[in-house]
Amino acid sequence: GEDVEQSLFLSVREGDSSVINCTYTDSSSTYLYWYKQEPGAGLQLLTYIFSNMDMKQDQRLTVLLNKKDKHLSLRIADTQTGDSAIYFCAGITDSWGKLQFGAGTQVVVTP
Amino acid sequence: DVKVTQSSRYLVKRTGEKVFLECVQDMDHENMFWYRQDPGLGLRLIYFSYDVKMKEKGDIPEGYSVSREKKERFSLILESASTNQTSMYLCASSRDRESSPLHFGNGTRLTVT
Repeated sequence: GEDVEQSLFLSVREGDSSVINCTYTDSSSTYLYWYKQEPGAGLQLLTYIFSNMDMKQDQRLTVLLNKKDKHLSLRIADTQTGDSAIYFCAGITDSWGKLQFGAGTQVVVTP
Repeated sequence: DVKVTQSSRYLVKRTGEKVFLECVQDMDHENMFWYRQDPGLGLRLIYFSYDVKMKEKGDIPEGYSVSREKKERFSLILESASTNQTSMYLCASSRDRESSPLHFGNGTRLTVT
C-alpha cells in the first residue's frame, strides 16, 4: 500500500510563491491528487496529475512529479490570504481505487 | 457539480449511545467512503462501499459499522459511542474504481462526552 508523507506546516507571505512537498512509497498510482481543506469544510479537489506526466499547470497552480524520487509538489504562485488552508496529497493504494492521504500541510498566508 | 451531503455539521452524543451519521450523493456514484480526520493523523479510512448492500473494511473499522441500502446513501453507525470516537467524520463518493477522484461532503464534527 501507499505511504504518503508531507510536512505539517508552511508559512508564506502574501504575494510570494508557496511550495508544498509530498513523498510517497508506492509508484503504482495512476493519478496523484491535491486536495484543499478550508476551515470547517470538507476536502475540495484542487488538481491532479497523471503518473506519466512530469508537470501540470493550472492557472496559479503547478504540480511537479518526480517519479524516480517518488516526490510530488504543488506550487502556488502569488499566494493570497484565501489560499490559507490545509493541503493534502493523495494516491491510489490498490485496484479498488482507495485513496491514501498524507497528514496534510497547514499553509498560513501572512500579509 | 457533484454534491455530497452529510446530514449534520455538529453532533454531541453521550458515551454508550448509538450514533448514525448519514451521507447522500446526487451523482449516481458507485463508490462511497467514510473517513475520520484527526489532527496530525490526516484522513483514515473507516469503511467503503462499491455497490448497494456491499461494504468493505478500511484501515480502522473497529467500533463502526455501515449500511448502504440505496446507491445514493451511505450511513456510518457507531454502535456504542466512546470518547475516542470524538472526531471529524468525512463522507466521500467517486464515480468508479478507475482512478476517479473522491468528492467530499463538508464533514460532521462529532463530540462524545
